[in-house]
Amino acid sequence: DADVTQTPRNRITKTGKRIMLECSQTKGHDRMYWYRQDPGLGLRLIYYSFDVKDINKGEISDGYSVSRQAQAKFSLSLESAIPNQTALYFCATSDTRQGGLYTEAFFGQGTRLTVV
Amino acid sequence: AQRVTQPEKLLSVFKGAPVELKCNYSYSGSPELFWYVQYSRQRLQLLLRHISRESIKGFTADLNKGETSFHLKKPFAQEEDSAMYYCALLGEAGNMLTFGGGTRLMVKP
Repeated sequence: DADVTQTPRNRITKTGKRIMLECSQTKGHDRMYWYRQDPGLGLRLIYYSFDVKDINKGEISDGYSVSRQAQAKFSLSLESAIPNQTALYFCATSDTRQGGLYTEAFFGQGTRLTVV
Repeated sequence: AQRVTQPEKLLSVFKGAPVELKCNYSYSGSPELFWYVQYSRQRLQLLLRHISRESIKGFTADLNKGETSFHLKKPFAQEEDSAMYYCALLGEAGNMLTFGGGTRLMVKP
């Protein structure tokens, strides 16, 4: 299934270029997240959003910005890409706690970004 | 601050051997703990959560608040268990889902 879709799947860009990664979801979830995955470091949270117009920094937000254009869309931008932003980027969604139980996070297939 | 540590980057076992993937966390309140799995060329997906106290694909995990651990165990590993495993923590505020560095499990025939 493709409940959480990321575009592009792969991208090579040059240092200093601006690039946008897009994420859309059909699950109707209100929460969306951007993570980057690096070998040995696991997934680190870049930004998250609980609703349209709600934006929160994660642990590694420097050099990134996001936009929550609609409940279903959450874009990640690298304003001026640098080589150490080369990584696998994941978008995820989840729902607000219901009955006290957190609903699981659903992940996109990832975007492999290479900055040369 | 909340933190999740998975001390082993790689764990290699033979088929049929017991498996234990370690996870330790740092959090001052009452967290919710999860194990996520990423099979080759597949999306990251939830394996199990401590609240449910369930066994999924033969895996179990017990939250030990005294030792702040949430180790993942399986008595007899199968080749199809080979994957990347991530331990994750959700704080009481229910906002940030924090992941550990991941452990790659390789089950050899």
